[in-house]
Amino acid sequence: GENVGLHLPTLSVQEGDNSIINCAYSNSASDYFIWYKQESGKGPQFIIDIRSNMDKRQGQRVTVLLNKTVKHLSLQIAATQPGDSAVYFCAENRQAGTALIFGKGTTLSVSS
Amino acid sequence: DAGVTQSPTHLIKTRGQQVTLRCSPKSGHDTVSWYQQALGQGPQFIFQYYEEEERQRGNFPDRFSGHQFPNYSSELNVNALLLGDSALYLCASRQEGGTEAFFGQGTRLTVV
Repeated sequence: GENVGLHLPTLSVQEGDNSIINCAYSNSASDYFIWYKQESGKGPQFIIDIRSNMDKRQGQRVTVLLNKTVKHLSLQIAATQPGDSAVYFCAENRQAGTALIFGKGTTLSVSS
Repeated sequence: DAGVTQSPTHLIKTRGQQVTLRCSPKSGHDTVSWYQQALGQGPQFIFQYYEEEERQRGNFPDRFSGHQFPNYSSELNVNALLLGDSALYLCASRQEGGTEAFFGQGTRLTVV
């Protein structure tokens, strides 16, 4: 998982704030990027994905941005809630359906 | 739909022993991948099975082997266990041709 990394190991926010979690990747040939949320004692849970031919994709309270010029990926969470507290991983998929390459994760802590 | 199920949830083994972990994919999924997640790290790809064959393999020694059965369930076998094999082992399934991978809750293996 050395090719997909995260800028910050931890992020602390207040409930209601917007959170931004960043990730850098190294392989410009990667086609597909995914954000996963992992709560303690559980497996990774799919949040949102984006293909390399897109710059932005929105979901419910989440937005993923892809900057291919600088090989940067970010996850924005609007109105962060205590239930959003978890470890967030970005993952790279060089071809859809093949091995996912994960970064080391960012621990998001949301205080009330 | 039970999603991806793994067994056992926890396991303690002695160095040098062998272990078998099991995974049942989400209903309708035919492709199964295994990942190893060390404490504080992102998951690392071990291998992927499709049509009962190993289709892609990560950088893991031959001590790690697997199998996929006709009902798409899968096993991960690890021989000659080392202390460093202690980790959370995750199974992920998807439909062939699909992109979204669903993870199980994992098996926590402790080697003493």
